[in-house]
Amino acid sequence: ETGVTQTPRHLVMGMTNKKSLKCEQHLGHNAMYWYKQSAKKPLELMFVYSLEERVENNSVPSRFSPECPNSSHLFLHLHTLQPEDSALYLCASSGSPGTSGGPGDTQYFGPGTRLTVL
Amino acid sequence: QKEVEQNSGPLSVPEGAIASLNCTYSDRVSQSFFWYRQYSGKSPELIMSIYSNGDKEDGRFTAQLNKASQYVSLLIRDSQPSDSATYLCAVNTQMYSGGGADGLTFGKGTHLIIQP
Repeated sequence: ETGVTQTPRHLVMGMTNKKSLKCEQHLGHNAMYWYKQSAKKPLELMFVYSLEERVENNSVPSRFSPECPNSSHLFLHLHTLQPEDSALYLCASSGSPGTSGGPGDTQYFGPGTRLTVL
Repeated sequence: QKEVEQNSGPLSVPEGAIASLNCTYSDRVSQSFFWYRQYSGKSPELIMSIYSNGDKEDGRFTAQLNKASQYVSLLIRDSQPSDSATYLCAVNTQMYSGGGADGLTFGKGTHLIIQP
């Protein structure tokens, strides 16, 4: 596997389900991100992890819960979602090993998970 | 609210011509600017990054930055049908004052169509 991978690629869930999205980066980066892309809206930043430490984004509802167990893996736990949460969820990574990263670091995106909430 | 504005298009350009894509941003402290290309159903891929005022060229692509005007542009020379995609302008968004990794604020994107 190379680059940034995400599983599953497609997910359909009911409003009462609990599911998790997984992201793995094989680039040796130290920062990872979750973005949401809805139809006719710009990509929205949800969460940032730098050296496995989370930087909160207070505008994200608590039904989305991120987890970063190490610098290569990132999860997004989903529970009691709403139909308006249906979107493409993109993971990205950036930075160089051993650093906390910087504003100039290029972010590389995974293929995304297409989520549909019924 | 930090914003990035782009004309959503579609922008239609004949094959072989120059495509010009524009972007403005609201956060004066932004330091890093990126252009991503996104094909339908795919994830964004980086085309260019630029950090200093002026022009930066890479093959058929030229990025231009004017921090005083808070304006970024992307020129695509000798446009090809394969350049047809949505082009996203992105600007770093400092999440906290301690430095380190920043998230990106994206524009809605410009849909570019290269006509054969």
